[in-house]
Amino acid sequence: NAGVTQTPKFQVLKTGQSMTLQCAQDMNHEYMSWYRQDPGMGLRLIHYSVGAGITDQGEVPNGYNVSRSTTEDFPLRLLSAAPSQTSVYFCASSYRTPQRGSYEQYFGPGTRLTVT
Amino acid sequence: GQQVMQIPQYQHVQEGEDFTTYCNSSTTLSNIQWYKQRPGGHPVFLIQLVKSGEVKKQKRLTFQFGEAKKNSSLHITATQTTDVGTYFCAGPGTASKLTFGTGTRLQVTL
Repeated sequence: NAGVTQTPKFQVLKTGQSMTLQCAQDMNHEYMSWYRQDPGMGLRLIHYSVGAGITDQGEVPNGYNVSRSTTEDFPLRLLSAAPSQTSVYFCASSYRTPQRGSYEQYFGPGTRLTVT
Repeated sequence: GQQVMQIPQYQHVQEGEDFTTYCNSSTTLSNIQWYKQRPGGHPVFLIQLVKSGEVKKQKRLTFQFGEAKKNSSLHITATQTTDVGTYFCAGPGTASKLTFGTGTRLQVTL
């Protein structure tokens, strides 16, 4: 199994450009999420999904869209990039949602995004 | 909303010294997880604690969950350079959200 994969690994955008960060998992996990990591801020939840066709907002959703048309894929779209979105983005998946007992979050390798 | 704080933010130890990081939640947690992130890497799951007062060990790492289930700690005995990284705790919040602590960055020198 490849686990959780993310593409691209690195990306530089100009302010106002849009792009999609890809995330895929081959573990048949129902729960997937996107985090951003900034120095001194830990991991902040952007959006999450509890299954195909179901998504919801996390702590910092503004400027990002998600969709979950299949169990495997959970892309994150930046609508109009801003310098404040310069960050490292991690996708994660787990078999169960955080509230449903024992689970383990598997993280992808991350995408390092710079917006100039 | 739920907040999960960790202290210290950063600790620098000599190899062989012990290290402890503390995690405090503003709300009672049904469970708590710990992750380790090596420099330049991604978070990797270490352990989950569920019961009040639970203590679990993984070699030199000892994890505790407080009696009130609002705090937790990770203690590393006799640190090694391989322990370098940032340690995060995380707890379930409202709906299906998982809230991560701010992390403790550990630096170990010879």
